[in-house]
Amino acid sequence: DTAVSQTPKYLVTQMGNDKSIKCEQNLGHDTMYWYKQDSKKFLKIMFSYNNKELIINETVPNRFSPKSPDKAHLNLHINSLELGDSAVYFCASSRGSGETLEQYFGPGTRLTVT
Amino acid sequence: QQQVKQSPQSLIVQKGGISIINCAYENTAFDYFPWYQQFPGKGPALLIAIRPDVSEKKEGRFTISFNKSAKQFSLHIMDSQPGDSATYFCAADTGFQKLVFGTGTRLLVSP
Repeated sequence: DTAVSQTPKYLVTQMGNDKSIKCEQNLGHDTMYWYKQDSKKFLKIMFSYNNKELIINETVPNRFSPKSPDKAHLNLHINSLELGDSAVYFCASSRGSGETLEQYFGPGTRLTVT
Repeated sequence: QQQVKQSPQSLIVQKGGISIINCAYENTAFDYFPWYQQFPGKGPALLIAIRPDVSEKKEGRFTISFNKSAKQFSLHIMDSQPGDSATYFCAADTGFQKLVFGTGTRLLVSP
């Protein structure tokens, strides 16, 4: 059983296109995240949702729009893709409360913009 | 204040040796410090974590040493194995349901 799953695993598209990445978690967690990992492996948080409510919105271009239809799903839609958007995007989830912030990551979606 | 500084950027260790990765932070409000391990093509996975009320935590060959006064913590991998070759990230819980990550250390354990 996959705890955090993402689709697609690879995404190759041209500049200017619009694309979506989907994420699902079956851990019963309340909080979900989107991270971007660039070519230097640096992990940066983009968004966080808790029970479908946006709680973290880092400095991300508004071409990126997250959507959480329910607490088990968090999708990322990207408009007007640019070359600099090429990266690996990770979804993660964690319990909404508790003493520690253990995050469980999905396998990643490698986005290549040409 | 919202940063975690990690070193070295890369590390080569012989099989059986000790791998040591260091991290430092500024914000004393950080209260939970996990380490994540990432293999190529995979997502990061929680390896071991510590809270600042203890100075050391050990799980198998992996140990976190924590120095609260110096605001530093480190990961020690004893008896390093080729299967430990991966990228390691330290992180800190900012207290706002948000982790800040270090820049990562690529570890290569040579046979």
